[in-house]
Amino acid sequence: GAGVSQSPSNKVTEKGKDVELRCDPISGHTALYWYRQSLGQGLEFLIYFQGNSAPDKSGLPSDRFSAERTGGSVSTLTIQRTQQEDSAVYLCASSFREGTYEQYFGPGTRLTVT
Amino acid sequence: DAKTTQPPSMDCAEGRAANLPCNHSTISGNEYVYWYRQIHSQGPQYIIHGLKNNETNEMASLIITEDRKSSTLILPHATLRDTAVYYCIVRGFNTNAGKSTFGDGTTLTVKP
Repeated sequence: GAGVSQSPSNKVTEKGKDVELRCDPISGHTALYWYRQSLGQGLEFLIYFQGNSAPDKSGLPSDRFSAERTGGSVSTLTIQRTQQEDSAVYLCASSFREGTYEQYFGPGTRLTVT
Repeated sequence: DAKTTQPPSMDCAEGRAANLPCNHSTISGNEYVYWYRQIHSQGPQYIIHGLKNNETNEMASLIITEDRKSSTLILPHATLRDTAVYYCIVRGFNTNAGKSTFGDGTTLTVKP
């Protein structure tokens, strides 16, 4: 079946602009995660959604970052007033439920802030 | 979640078994060991996970020591396409499952 999809695959934006990154999880997966990965680094957790529960936003690096998940499916990560240090690959993953279920990752969105 | 320690890099000859170690000495009783890999420019891919018994699937085998403080991922016949960064993480049944840190992983290079 279809995996996790993300759009756009690449985004170049000017410093100070807002960007929206989209994630379509696997159908039926109730848990959704956002990570970011800077060049040559490991994954940095950003935010986690589980069903209708309040999201775990503890990984968001600043209040310029926000995310929402509409209808328990598609999620949008918004970065306001982008900075050059926001440049990274933003990865989305979904899993069947919270807990120990394996995560399935999308291909990521490469964000470049100039 | 327990922290894990992995060697930064390993080489393996094509066709030979690749054995990737992971230490997780602070693992608790309800935490599972997961392995993922990330091939260059792709999202991480789930490989295998286990609690205390050894596990095998079509991709790999997972050997967990009896005290569960370490584990080894085994790729029985490594191919060039197995060149990737391999991440070992531990996760338990809790609401912070999304925070599992992937760390820096082991960069496995399979050589012809």
